[in-house]
Amino acid sequence: GAVVSQHPSWVICKSGTSVKIECRSLDFQATTMFWYRQFPKQSLMLMATSNEGSKATYEQGVEKDKFLINHASLTLSTLTVTSAHPEDSSFYICSARVGNEQFFGPGTRLTVL
Amino acid sequence: GQQVMQIPQYQHVQEGEDFTTYCNSSTTLSNIQWYKQRPGGHPVFLIQLVKSGEVKKQKRLTFQFGEAKKNSSLHITATQTTDVGTYFCAGGSSWGKLQFGAGTQVVVTP
Repeated sequence: GAVVSQHPSWVICKSGTSVKIECRSLDFQATTMFWYRQFPKQSLMLMATSNEGSKATYEQGVEKDKFLINHASLTLSTLTVTSAHPEDSSFYICSARVGNEQFFGPGTRLTVL
Repeated sequence: GQQVMQIPQYQHVQEGEDFTTYCNSSTTLSNIQWYKQRPGGHPVFLIQLVKSGEVKKQKRLTFQFGEAKKNSSLHITATQTTDVGTYFCAGGSSWGKLQFGAGTQVVVTP
C-alpha cells in the first residue's frame, strides 16, 4: 500500500514555543491529507482537512490560528502548533487519501513541558 | 453533526473465543471503514464497506454493513494473541472525511 511518513516521530518542547510536524506521501501524490489528534486511550479526532494549494478546512472547535496547516505540494503537508501549551500534548497523526482508502502516517508524539 | 458510537469500549477475550464489536452512526453513511491500531502504533486500514447489507470476510474477520447503512459490526472468530489492539470503525463521507468511533480495545489471554 501507499506509504505516509511523519517527522519528527516525537518532540518535547517548552511551553510557548512552536512545533512543526511534517507529513509526506512517499510514493504517491496526495491532493488531500487529514490531520488527527489522539489523546491516550481515546479515539482519533479529525482536526482539519489539508488541501493542496488552498486553505485547510478546520473542524469545529479547532483553532486555525493555533494549528497552522500548509499543503504547499502534492507530497507534503505541515502542521504547526503555535505557542504550544501542556494541554496540546498529544499524538498527532496525518493521513492521505488514495481512492477510498486512507493511509496513516506513524504519528508524532508531542509533549509540551 | 454525525456521531459514530462503538461498543464495547473494552473486550477481554480468551484465546480461541469469538467476539464482536459494534458500530452505530447517527446518520446514514456513505461507507464504513475499519482500522486496527496496535499499542504504540498508528491505525492500519482493514476494510471498507460501501453497499447496504454488505458482508466481507478476511480470514477470521467478518465485517458487516447494515441495511440502513447506519451500523456495522466486526466479528472475530477463534481469537489469537495477534488480534490484540484497538479496533476502530470510521464512518466515511463521500468526500473522504472520516468520523472515528471510540474504538474497542481487545485484550487476549492465552
